[in-house]
Amino acid sequence: NAGVTQTPKFQVLKTGQSMTLQCAQDMNHNSMYWYRQDPGMGLRLIYYSASEGTTDKGEVPNGYNVSRLNKREFSLRLESAAPSQTSVYFCASSGGPTFADFGEGSWLTVV
Amino acid sequence: GENVEQHPSTLSVQEGDSAVIKCTYSDSASNYFPWYKQELGKRPQLIIDIRSNVGEKKDQRIAVTLNKTAKHFSLHITETQPEDSAVYFCAASITPGGGNKLTFGTGTQLKVEL
Repeated sequence: NAGVTQTPKFQVLKTGQSMTLQCAQDMNHNSMYWYRQDPGMGLRLIYYSASEGTTDKGEVPNGYNVSRLNKREFSLRLESAAPSQTSVYFCASSGGPTFADFGEGSWLTVV
Repeated sequence: GENVEQHPSTLSVQEGDSAVIKCTYSDSASNYFPWYKQELGKRPQLIIDIRSNVGEKKDQRIAVTLNKTAKHFSLHITETQPEDSAVYFCAASITPGGGNKLTFGTGTQLKVEL
C-alpha cells in the first residue's frame, strides 16, 4: 500500500495563476483532509471531506476549493494564487479508530 | 470551535533526560488526543494517542497523560536520544476519523543535545 500520495511535491506559481494539488489514498478511508503548515502556526485545516460526495470548510478555506472526486481522491484548487498561499500543504485521510496517515507534503511558492 | 494551545514552543534537553510537552484544549466534547512527530522536511507521523476514557498510555519511552477535568494532556519522553529531536504536535478531535476535524497545537521544537 502506498498510503496517501499527493502531487506535485514542489511548485512555483506566479501571482494570479491557478493550480490543483492532487491527493489519493489506497486505504479505503472515508474521510480526507487538506492542511497547510506555516512556520510557528502548526497545521491548519483548509477543507475536509467526511465521506465521498461531501466537503466542508475548515479553519482557513478562503482562496481554495476542493473536489472529492471519488472515495480515493481529494483535490485542492487554488483559483488565483496569492503570495499568502505560499506554504506546505498536507493531505491526510482517516477511516479507522485512529487518525491516519499524512501524505509527504507539497511545497508551494507563490511569487 | 476547538482551540489547542501547546507549550513550550522550544525545548532543549540533554541526552538521557526527560522531556515534557503540555497542551490544553477548549472543547469539552473532544475525546481523542493524538501526538505527532515531524522531522525536518518530512510528514507528521503519529507516535501515540489517547482517548478520554483513559488517563495514561505508555509505549516504551513515550507516555501521554490526560486530565479531562482540567482539559489538558501531556507528552512525556524519557531517556531522550538524539533521534528524538524533531517538532512535536498535539491535537484534539471529537472522535477520530468520521470526518471530525483534528485541531493541532502550534508545535514544540525538541532538541536533544549530546
